[in-house]
Amino acid sequence: GQQVMQIPQYQHVQEGEDFTTYCNSSTTLSNIQWYKQRPGGHPVFLIQLVKSGEVKKQKRLTFQFGEAKKNSSLHITATQTTDVGTYFCAGYSGGGADGLTFGKGTHLIIQP
Amino acid sequence: NAGVTQTPKFQVLKTGQSMTLQCAQDMNHEYMSWYRQDPGMGLRLIHYSVGAGITDQGEVPNGYNVSRSTTEDFPLRLLSAAPSQTSVYFCASSRLAQPRHEQFFGPGTRLTVL
Repeated sequence: GQQVMQIPQYQHVQEGEDFTTYCNSSTTLSNIQWYKQRPGGHPVFLIQLVKSGEVKKQKRLTFQFGEAKKNSSLHITATQTTDVGTYFCAGYSGGGADGLTFGKGTHLIIQP
Repeated sequence: NAGVTQTPKFQVLKTGQSMTLQCAQDMNHEYMSWYRQDPGMGLRLIHYSVGAGITDQGEVPNGYNVSRSTTEDFPLRLLSAAPSQTSVYFCASSRLAQPRHEQFFGPGTRLTVL
């Protein structure tokens, strides 16, 4: 079945440093979704990428979808303590109602 | 709108007990699903439904049953709880019959099986 690998599993940064998490799918994706989960909370949708090579920005967050639609990245510029949490990618294969596969997430830990 | 609601927030069970985790959404979403979240394992799909009366198995369905008698409700039943089912359970919904777009998650149920 489809697999979505996400790295790194943990990332420690100093406040103000940049952060990037990467997702790779074993199959070509129809779209990729990104979620953020605060400690003790539930996943919250951030964005969806659909087109090959697509780049979207939300303030300090930049999301990219690879040309082959098999990989994606989330980059945060100048991290703040409010960015703490786990970031998940979820790849939708288009294959059916069970076609959404989550990566295992990247835990972002920020040291003030 | 309340969005996706889940009850209870916390639950402790003994091995062999059964219980039902409740999930409801008030957004008239077609697609509903249950995930479990374990440390280092991410979110794994247990069961899903594309509409009232239609359910199917996800990646890790063993030990769980679901039903969808209405569009709004999608309860998850643990038939005979085992320690391996200790986890955080999230219910999610999305507008269309396939999870093509934004998933709305409930606040979760933290289950411990002793």
